[in-house]
Amino acid sequence: AQSVTQLGSHVSVSEGALVLLRCNYSSSVPPYLFWYVQYPNQGLQLLLKYTTGATLVKGINGFEAEFKKSETSFHLTKPSAHMSDAAEYFCAVSDEGYSTLTFGKGTMLLVSP
Amino acid sequence: DAGITQSPRHKVTETGTPVTLRCHQTENHRYMYWYRQDPGHGLRLIHYSYGVKDTDKGEVSDGYSVSRSKTEDFLLTLESATSSQTSVYFCAISGRLSPNQETQYFGPGTRLLVL
Repeated sequence: AQSVTQLGSHVSVSEGALVLLRCNYSSSVPPYLFWYVQYPNQGLQLLLKYTTGATLVKGINGFEAEFKKSETSFHLTKPSAHMSDAAEYFCAVSDEGYSTLTFGKGTMLLVSP
Repeated sequence: DAGITQSPRHKVTETGTPVTLRCHQTENHRYMYWYRQDPGHGLRLIHYSYGVKDTDKGEVSDGYSVSRSKTEDFLLTLESATSSQTSVYFCAISGRLSPNQETQYFGPGTRLLVL
């Protein structure tokens, strides 16, 4: 069974600073990995995903993530935070049949002026 | 946005009352999912469907049942609501067109309060 660990339930950064949200997974098979963002009172929106191929994945809004198999990690980064990035971020991994997702508990990103 | 609607968007009910939430899609996607979201728990899968009349249990299926009689609709029923089922419920869909089409798209959510 897959599992996802997101380190830090809350991360605070200043506007313009580097954003780093951590995600580690466990999977017995090559995983598909996803990052979703949730703005207040909304559903989840896909930021980016890794399926196969290039391990550095670029997503929307300037975010990117790198799949590191040796570290079982898929950390999300953005070089410069904007106030509009304040939201909750979820990392997820697919199961062996690629039909269901297991989500981490989420990390709330707080951006201060 | 993917064509997913959920109804109702908000509901208040009493303990012991049956409740049905509806997810409707216009994308003709094969897979449909029901999740609940609770603080500190992220999203947890309740049930999912891989076709009409084909459903399977997720991580937190106790107290919930589902039905899918046509491609576009996936119903979640709480047979006898309890306060522990107060939550935000999300529906999601995915197409399974190819291995690169595994993205799940989410609806806007239903806030359920059980008193």
